Amino acid sequence: GQSLEQPSEVTAVEGAIVQINCTYQTSGFYGLSWYQQHDGGAPTFLSYNGLDGLEETGRFSSFLSRSDSYGYLLLQELQMKDSASYFCAVPNSGNTPLVFGKGTRLSVIA
Amino acid sequence: DSGVTQTPKHLITATGQRVTLRCSPRSGDLSVYWYQQSLDQGLQFLIQYYNGEERAKGNILERFSAQQFPDLHSELNLSSLELGDSALYFCASSLRGTSSSEQFFGPGTRLTVL
Repeated sequence: GQSLEQPSEVTAVEGAIVQINCTYQTSGFYGLSWYQQHDGGAPTFLSYNGLDGLEETGRFSSFLSRSDSYGYLLLQELQMKDSASYFCAVPNSGNTPLVFGKGTRLSVIA
Repeated sequence: DSGVTQTPKHLITATGQRVTLRCSPRSGDLSVYWYQQSLDQGLQFLIQYYNGEERAKGNILERFSAQQFPDLHSELNLSSLELGDSALYFCASSLRGTSSSEQFFGPGTRLTVL
């Protein structure tokens, strides 16, 4: 099966940069996704890495190293509205539905 | 707004009862996924349908069942409810059936079993 490890909580200051790491163990690999979820809200897709390297979307970037079974989400110029939970996810075997990590709760403080 | 709708938003019921949760995917999306989110278990995949056919099954209990109708909306049926079934239930949709596709989540149904 698949398993993912990510830190449970991270705190960072407004305007700073924060990196949320994710390590995974999979029997087959089809890519790493990141989702954001605000309290009481639905998860929303942030990014997907199918190949090694960095993907940038505005203030958010995501990195993947398949050889290390590792990825991270980088959030720059942190804003208070970035306070949320962030989940990494990988597809189960056969590229079927996602297995999510337990999530990292990011708190942005002034 | 993701374009995925779920009803009802909240549901309060008693142990032993049966409920049905409804989901309408985004226009054009063929795949529907159901997830359960509770505090101690995180986001757990239950089941996926693609264009009316069951595509994948996760840790879905035998008391739970789902289907996808010809108009692509989906229903999740939960029966013989137990206290531990209290959770947020999300439906998500995607254009294709593969997990590399971005999934769009609905607002969820919060189920409380008393």
